[in-house]
Amino acid sequence: AQRVTQPEKLLSVFKGAPVELKCNYSYSGSPELFWYVQYSRQRLQLLLRHISRESIKGFTADLNKGETSFHLKKPFAQEEDSAMYYCALRKGGKLIFGQGTELSVKP
Amino acid sequence: DADVTQTPRNRITKTGKRIMLECSQTKGHDRMYWYRQDPGLGLRLIYYSFDVKDINKGEISDGYSVSRQAQAKFSLSLESAIPNQTALYFCATSPGQGPGNTIYFGEGSWLTVV
Repeated sequence: AQRVTQPEKLLSVFKGAPVELKCNYSYSGSPELFWYVQYSRQRLQLLLRHISRESIKGFTADLNKGETSFHLKKPFAQEEDSAMYYCALRKGGKLIFGQGTELSVKP
Repeated sequence: DADVTQTPRNRITKTGKRIMLECSQTKGHDRMYWYRQDPGLGLRLIYYSFDVKDINKGEISDGYSVSRQAQAKFSLSLESAIPNQTALYFCATSPGQGPGNTIYFGEGSWLTVV
């Protein structure tokens, strides 16, 4: 069965520290993976998609098929990065979400 | 981004009452979805619709029903609300399955069942 796992419920770092939010997936085909961000229980906004191989707000994510992972990274965290982050897998036109990781960046 | 609009934004209702959450979009997308968000569980799919005549159950459809009144409108109903349906509900839309097509979310509807 397709599944997305985000092992950390909460990740707390200091401003300027590197950040890595983990995402692992199980999927038999070629995955299409996304990261969404949610600030203060607002709407989810697309942050990254693996197909674009882009960097948004300093965040990057690389698809590692061998490890079935799509970890989100940022070299220097900022306070405004504090939010909920969701990893998602698209299958059959639907998004399957992980449980989410709350990132807290302390001053 | 007001392209995906949900009403009401907040609602408190009593156990056993029928409640409808409405979603409308101006993006011209064919595909629409309803998700619920619970702490520690992420977002779970309730129902989805790929066009006006297409309705599909998602992961957690029990206790819910939907209606796709038009391409732009997709409503979610709780026939007899119960307290464990207290959650934040999101409507979403997508243009289709093509690579890179994004799914866009509304601002959410807070529902409290007392």
